[in-house]
Amino acid sequence: QQQVKQSPQSLIVQKGGISIINCAYENTAFDYFPWYQQFPGKGPALLIAIRPDVSEKKEGRFTISFNKSAKQFSLHIMDSQPGDSATYFCAASRADRGSTLGRLYFGRGTQLTVWP
Amino acid sequence: KAGVTQTPRYLIKTRGQQVTLSCSPISGHRSVSWYQQTPGQGLQFLFEYFSETQRNKGNFPGRFSGRQFSNSRSEMNVSTLELGDSALYLCASSSRQPRSYEQYFGPGTRLTVT
Repeated sequence: QQQVKQSPQSLIVQKGGISIINCAYENTAFDYFPWYQQFPGKGPALLIAIRPDVSEKKEGRFTISFNKSAKQFSLHIMDSQPGDSATYFCAASRADRGSTLGRLYFGRGTQLTVWP
Repeated sequence: KAGVTQTPRYLIKTRGQQVTLSCSPISGHRSVSWYQQTPGQGLQFLFEYFSETQRNKGNFPGRFSGRQFSNSRSEMNVSTLELGDSALYLCASSSRQPRSYEQYFGPGTRLTVT
């Protein structure tokens, strides 16, 4: 079954607006939550990540909000730009469990389009 | 520091053939994971190698295999190719150092099976 559920599937935002993508997970053993950005023809690029010991992490225009009790986390892109148009994936893993460190469970992706 | 490199970038094979894909991780990274990306199934974990040993394996048939060399470079092999194996195969490297969880992806190998 899908371990990480992502919504919406697609998102259209006007330039300068806020883009919000949401993810939910079931496995409470997950303890590392990264977001990846993928442009057509490229591999996913690590954007920002969070551990469950904090509720928010901000890097430039990108912010992750994390709600441990609700088992949800979201990506906020402030002042969205046309160059942000890409597919965004949330993921989760059990980072501190040595034998499964390499396994990321991905959401299905959100195709973001930012109109100029 | 150079990123993850994958070769070849594009590959066209016929059903029944086998294929080998190569991945060179970021210098100093000792863990390599492989993922398959398709429009229908999204990004799915294939396996992870660390110190030349397979540490974890996803739900793929035995036709999918891999190995890692002493210099951390990794290869994955798919035997008896099927049409459904057409996908973007991605390699990710990580340092596996304590409290360092980041995984960095290469550009992928686009495999088309005809």
